[in-house]
Amino acid sequence: EAGVVQSPRYKIIEKKQPVAFWCNPISGHNTLYWYRQNLGQGPELLIRYENEEAVDDSQLPKDRFSAERLKGVDSTLKIQPAELGDSAVYLCASSFSRGQIEQFFGPGTRLTVL
Amino acid sequence: ELKVEQNPLFLSMQEGKNYTIYCNYSTTSDRLYWYRQDPGKSLESLFVLLSNGAVKQEGRLMASLDTKARLSTLHITAAVHDLSATYFCAGGGVSSRLTFGEGTQLTVNP
Repeated sequence: EAGVVQSPRYKIIEKKQPVAFWCNPISGHNTLYWYRQNLGQGPELLIRYENEEAVDDSQLPKDRFSAERLKGVDSTLKIQPAELGDSAVYLCASSFSRGQIEQFFGPGTRLTVL
Repeated sequence: ELKVEQNPLFLSMQEGKNYTIYCNYSTTSDRLYWYRQDPGKSLESLFVLLSNGAVKQEGRLMASLDTKARLSTLHITAAVHDLSATYFCAGGGVSSRLTFGEGTQLTVNP
């Protein structure tokens, strides 16, 4: 069974540029999460989707971040414009349903903003 | 709001020795997770603890949960170099939001 797929794995951009990350969850998983992990810290939830509905986006900086999961499968997280402080690893995770015990994490996208 | 604290944050130990990583959390959490992360890699699920007194073991790692004390421990027995990694605990409720600790960076020296 394929795991959570993310692309790109690495991205280097200059500040003020836009950037987008893509995630394809495990087949059949209807809950999708985006986390941000700063260097030396644990991941922090940005947004959670149940199918195509964003049910928890309280931690998403909405002035510059946006996300979509139009068909309830894959998802895109966008930052526009990027700032130096956005440098981090962006992790996508999925689970079968809300409340399922385990969340399965993808390999992450390491973003560097210069 | 759930807060999760781990200690120690850095741990250097010799092969063959035993040690315990502690995870304290601030409010009721329905479940407690332990994850492992190797440098540049994603998170690998180790244990999920669901109830007071739960104990799970896998190889040289054993995790336990005391919900009354709001404490989980990850015990390492006879450490080997391959266990070197960063270990995270995380609490989660029915909303499925996971709140992670800062992580414990473990280095096992020969």
